[in-house]
Amino acid sequence: DSGVTQTPKHLITATGQRVTLRCSPRSGDLSVYWYQQSLDQGLQFLIQYYNGEERAKGNILERFSAQQFPDLHSELNLSSLELGDSALYFCASSVGAGVDYNEQFFGPGTRLTVL
Amino acid sequence: AQTVTQSQPEMSVQEAETVTLSCTYDTSESDYYLFWYKQPPSRQMILVIRQEAYKQQNATENRFSVNFQKAAKSFSLKISDSQLGDAAMYFCAYRSAWETSGSRLTFGEGTQLTVNP
Repeated sequence: DSGVTQTPKHLITATGQRVTLRCSPRSGDLSVYWYQQSLDQGLQFLIQYYNGEERAKGNILERFSAQQFPDLHSELNLSSLELGDSALYFCASSVGAGVDYNEQFFGPGTRLTVL
Repeated sequence: AQTVTQSQPEMSVQEAETVTLSCTYDTSESDYYLFWYKQPPSRQMILVIRQEAYKQQNATENRFSVNFQKAAKSFSLKISDSQLGDAAMYFCAYRSAWETSGSRLTFGEGTQLTVNP
């Protein structure tokens, strides 16, 4: 158990719908990362937050948005869902966000299926 | 942008034998970190080993060791005395040491390792 929790574990929805994925980082970790793992795109970085502020952005679609709340939990919002958004979405957390090494601890992931 | 390439989609090894997984990367940066992650059927991402680019000495963690060739931009993972529990998807990953890049991980395509009893 990495200490990072993600809810829900599984999510099945229809095209055009909107869903919210939730992540609680390890106690003491200020950085939260979101990654998407799909058959087409592999494992790719979406976005990083550090202490409530967006820190880095990757290949995140405009239909997707995220935020980190004052209690440091994060939510990833996916809207106008398409079949291709079906994937495993990972949240990871680390203590810091700077150049020094900070191990990223991964949550168990949320499996999203869009029908 | 940095890229990571794993040219072996699948590998297999006999239990107790040694196997090497290959990874190459492309970057113009001089300071960075490299990682190997393991993803078993549970889908949990588990850090296996890491290497700092400024260190010449290859990292070792028990049965896992790396061969880091900075000039060749190569970073292979050697698993000694393979065990059935080593069967998993293995991902090579790169992380910049520059502030402006954040701490994002860039992953390779993965190598599916099968361990035969």
